[in-house]
Amino acid sequence: QSALTQPPSASGSPGQSVTISCTGTSSDVGGYNYVSWYQQHPGKAPKLMIYEVSKRPSGVPDRFSGSKSGNTASLTVSGLQAEDEADYYCSSYAGSNNFVFGTGTKVTVL
Amino acid sequence: QVQLQESGPGLVKPSQTLSLTCTVSGGSISSGSYYWSWIRQPAGKGLEWIGRIYTSGSTNYNPSLKSRVTISVDTSKNQFSLKLSSVTAADTAVYYCARTGAPHAFDIWGQGTMVTVSS
Repeated sequence: QSALTQPPSASGSPGQSVTISCTGTSSDVGGYNYVSWYQQHPGKAPKLMIYEVSKRPSGVPDRFSGSKSGNTASLTVSGLQAEDEADYYCSSYAGSNNFVFGTGTKVTVL
Repeated sequence: QVQLQESGPGLVKPSQTLSLTCTVSGGSISSGSYYWSWIRQPAGKGLEWIGRIYTSGSTNYNPSLKSRVTISVDTSKNQFSLKLSSVTAADTAVYYCARTGAPHAFDIWGQGTMVTVSS
């Protein structure tokens, strides 16, 4: 299967909001409410930020929120902070016990 | 809390088999209804799911890698392992092990281990 499509980059000033899209197909993003989002700082392992489209694990700030419409999922980071500068990846269950990741988005805090 | 740690050779020759182990600490690999996955990331590129195993031994693999991948579990050692055969330079990547704790999401990750395929 093909990787989910994300914009290569996104940016915002401190305190602003940034939204990242993740576009798949009806066989993955559109077919299941199992979209998750990961934050990855340089040289570090990814960290789960959102699961099941919009749920936040314990410890993840409520500045991070997720949603989905059709074949496109979105991650919004509100009240941008310097430490939010990182790469972000979406992932979706793709049926038949298979998973697919997104192409990744580099978020820059201006 | 549960932690994962990858280990294995950092250099593998082309056509040989890449072998990595993930050691689970802070909890039993057999407790709870968790799957245990391998995920890789070539330098400067995105993440790719390789496959996963349940503690019963049931496995699922990425269709694009299925013919070359074997994932196994050793509950007595609290470890699970990855074998990737017939490697080429395209298999050079950081390899992560991860737990699927949240439904279909990877909630705990190892720090990753770099594997280079080169003669």
